[in-house]
This record gives sequence, C-alpha cells and structure tokens, in this order.
Amino acid sequence: GENVEQHPSTLSVQEGDSAVIKCTYSDSASNYFPWYKQELGKRPQLIIDIRSNVGEKKDQRIAVTLNKTAKHFSLHITETQPEDSAVYFCAAGDTGRRALTFGSGTRLQVQP
Amino acid sequence: DTAVSQTPKYLVTQMGNDKSIKCEQNLGHDTMYWYKQDSKKFLKIMFSYNNKELIINETVPNRFSPKSPDKAHLNLHINSLELGDSAVYFCASSQAGTGDQPQHFGDGTRLSIL
Repeated sequence: GENVEQHPSTLSVQEGDSAVIKCTYSDSASNYFPWYKQELGKRPQLIIDIRSNVGEKKDQRIAVTLNKTAKHFSLHITETQPEDSAVYFCAAGDTGRRALTFGSGTRLQVQP
Repeated sequence: DTAVSQTPKYLVTQMGNDKSIKCEQNLGHDTMYWYKQDSKKFLKIMFSYNNKELIINETVPNRFSPKSPDKAHLNLHINSLELGDSAVYFCASSQAGTGDQPQHFGDGTRLSIL
C-alpha cells in the first residue's frame, strides 16, 4: 500500500519568513496530492491540492510543487503570519485506492 | 449551513459504557469516513462507506460498529469503552470512494473516557 512520510514534524519560523513542508510517497500510481490545515481544536481543512499532470500550483501565499520522478511534493507558505500557525497534513491518493493516505503532520508555529 | 456535521461535539463518559456518534453530510457525496485522531495528531482511517456499503474496514476492535442508514448519514457506535478510546473522532465525506477525491471533514467529536 501507499506510505506517505512528512517532514519536519515541527517547524518554527518568524513572521514574514517562508515555510516549507515536504512529503514523500511510495506508490508511483498516486496522482492526487492535497494539503490540509488543522488549527487548534478545529477540523482539518483542505487548503490546496495538486494533480499529477501539474508540476506546481499557487494560491496567493501558498504553493505546492510536485516531483513525480522523485515521488515528493512540498507545501510552500510565503510571508507567514501568526494565523498560519497550525498542523499541516499532506496526503496522497489515486483512483485505484479507496481513500487518501495521510502524512503524520507538521506543527507550524509562526512567531510574531 | 454546515457541510459535514457531527454530534455530539464533546462526549465524556465512564469506562465500560456504550456510546454513539452521529454524522450527516449535505454535500450530496456518495462516500463517508470515520477517522480517529490521537493525542499525537495522527489521522487514522477506521471505516468508509460508499452509498451505504462498507468499503474500508481497517484493523479496529469489533467494539466499534459503523452504521450507514443512507448515504448522507454515517454513525459510529462504540461498546465497552476503554481508556485508549479517548481521542477526537472525525467524520468526513467525499464525492466518490476513490483516493483521488478531496475529503471534507466535520468538526470532530472529542471523546474522553474517565
């Protein structure tokens, strides 16, 4: 089955700096890669996703890049703000599997 | 106008009791899921139903029994609660029961066993 590894487990940055979270996956059939943000005490919320026919996708301050050859994808947050502080989860999936496989999460702390 | 709603939000109970959590989605999705999130924040899938049919049944104690009366509802009943069952349980839904669909989560049910 699919295995998704996520690094780092914790990340602390100064407000205004950039943050990068990386994930690797094992199943070359995976073709869908969403990212979820979970604020303290709240539900995971989809913030951006990318499909395998695209190498990069951007939405304001967040971007996701995908390297299918190396089987890794990354979340980039620029000009971080305190409200970006949360746990971020990557996930991978494909049509042939019945659910997403989630990474173990990254706790991002943005220091004001 | 909540898309995926769970009740109750908090559940505090004694060891050995039986409890249920309810979930409803109004997105018109075919597939619903139950996840367990422990204190380390791992999101572990437990069950998935596609149009009332069980399609994922992970290694979960048989004290946990899901029920889907229709595709908009997925309930979770837990018998003989144990201390290790303390966690946040999330319901989620997706358009189809395949791994290439975004999942929409409910607000979670925080279960605390005394």
